[in-house]
Amino acid sequence: QVQLQESGPGLVKPSQTLSLTCTVSGGSISSGGYYWSWIRQHPGKGLEWIGYIYYSGSTYYNPSLKSRVTISVDTSKNQFSLKLSSVTAADTAVYYCARVVGDDSVDYWGQGTLVTVSS
Amino acid sequence: QTVVTQEPSLTVSPGGTVTLTCASSTGAVTSGYYPNWFQQKPGQAPRALIYSTSNKHSWTPARFSGSLLGGKAALTLSGVQPEDEAEYYCLLYYGGARVFGGGTKLTVL
Repeated sequence: QVQLQESGPGLVKPSQTLSLTCTVSGGSISSGGYYWSWIRQHPGKGLEWIGYIYYSGSTYYNPSLKSRVTISVDTSKNQFSLKLSSVTAADTAVYYCARVVGDDSVDYWGQGTLVTVSS
Repeated sequence: QTVVTQEPSLTVSPGGTVTLTCASSTGAVTSGYYPNWFQQKPGQAPRALIYSTSNKHSWTPARFSGSLLGGKAALTLSGVQPEDEAEYYCLLYYGGARVFGGGTKLTVL
């Protein structure tokens, strides 16, 4: 059973960089065919795709966030990470990590972590 | 900017059948958009239900089914249970990009 767990600060100051890590257990992040993803949900709103990374390091980012987003992977720790720079209150959201199988399936999700941007 | 549209809200009686749809601003939804469906209850992470139009995950109850209907992706719940009251999101694939629909709040009443 694959499990994903987000971790990181729950409070970030405006203009700073939000940093989150997703730890994967029950499977290797280096297994081919999977894309490791970040998704967020603003309070009371719908889901927004942030981007994803393949174990080799290739990435895709949502064009609306691309200039501020970096997703990286650490295969030795079975983790992948999100950095979102120059945050504002509009980046306050629950951030989820998830696994994407090939082109066609998003199966496992983390429980989510709330990040609040406030001074 | 691509927009994926779902019904904002639907109401169904226990034991009834309801169909939720998912439309793309780019045109008809086909199997190449690999529609996925998710259920989210308050305070919980989304749970995957359907992938690639109509395929169920091992944990998906049999009463949930996915299809293409009239140029849209569709999620049908048959024999609705009170515990099916939730928000439902679709997700479409655009050759790299993935876009969620705005969600449908399903009320079982």
